[in-house]
Amino acid sequence: AQTVTQSQPEMSVQEAETVTLSCTYDTSESDYYLFWYKQPPSRQMILVIRQEAYKQQNATENRFSVNFQKAAKSFSLKISDSQLGDAAMYFCALHGNKLVFGAGTILRVKS
Amino acid sequence: SAVISQKPSRDICQRGTSLTIQCQVDSQVTMMFWYRQQPGQSLTLIATANQGSEATYESGFVIDKFPISRPNLTFSTLTVSNMSPEDSSIYLCSFLTSGGAYTQYFGPGTRLTVL
Repeated sequence: AQTVTQSQPEMSVQEAETVTLSCTYDTSESDYYLFWYKQPPSRQMILVIRQEAYKQQNATENRFSVNFQKAAKSFSLKISDSQLGDAAMYFCALHGNKLVFGAGTILRVKS
Repeated sequence: SAVISQKPSRDICQRGTSLTIQCQVDSQVTMMFWYRQQPGQSLTLIATANQGSEATYESGFVIDKFPISRPNLTFSTLTVSNMSPEDSSIYLCSFLTSGGAYTQYFGPGTRLTVL
């Protein structure tokens, strides 16, 4: 079985500051992929960043980076220089034999 | 990446009726999926739409309630049958990229309200 846990229902960050969203997971698969998706009020699921489990190097995409700790089964997302447009629901997801989502974290950005 | 669209974007339906949601991808993809997102909740996989064969349903979802078609490699439909207010959700289609990248992209979703 695959599970994804996001323990922060809601987070707030001041514009231009940095915020980290937490995610832990569990899987029996040896090969898997981890993702962060963003869902703004428009409800479109937008891929933010992906990480292959076999890669030790943490993925980065512009202002978004992850801290992948494979032994601890942890996959946190760091957003640097937060912008108002970053406000959304963020879902952590795991693809082992299928894509499984966490419960989500609402991110609010204060101006 | 490929562009994926859904129709309708939203609908309000009466209980007991059915609604068919269409999903179109602008390039051929092997695997397509249908998800449900109930209000304030995460995404739950309904089924995997296989081209040329029956869809594979997840536990708790049945073909009679959610029939799926996949006539070709760019198109799929999901029908929500005999609707009740509990079916009010966002329904999203998704496809898996090929080449081993194992990344899923999502359509814009269909917001369904059942009265």
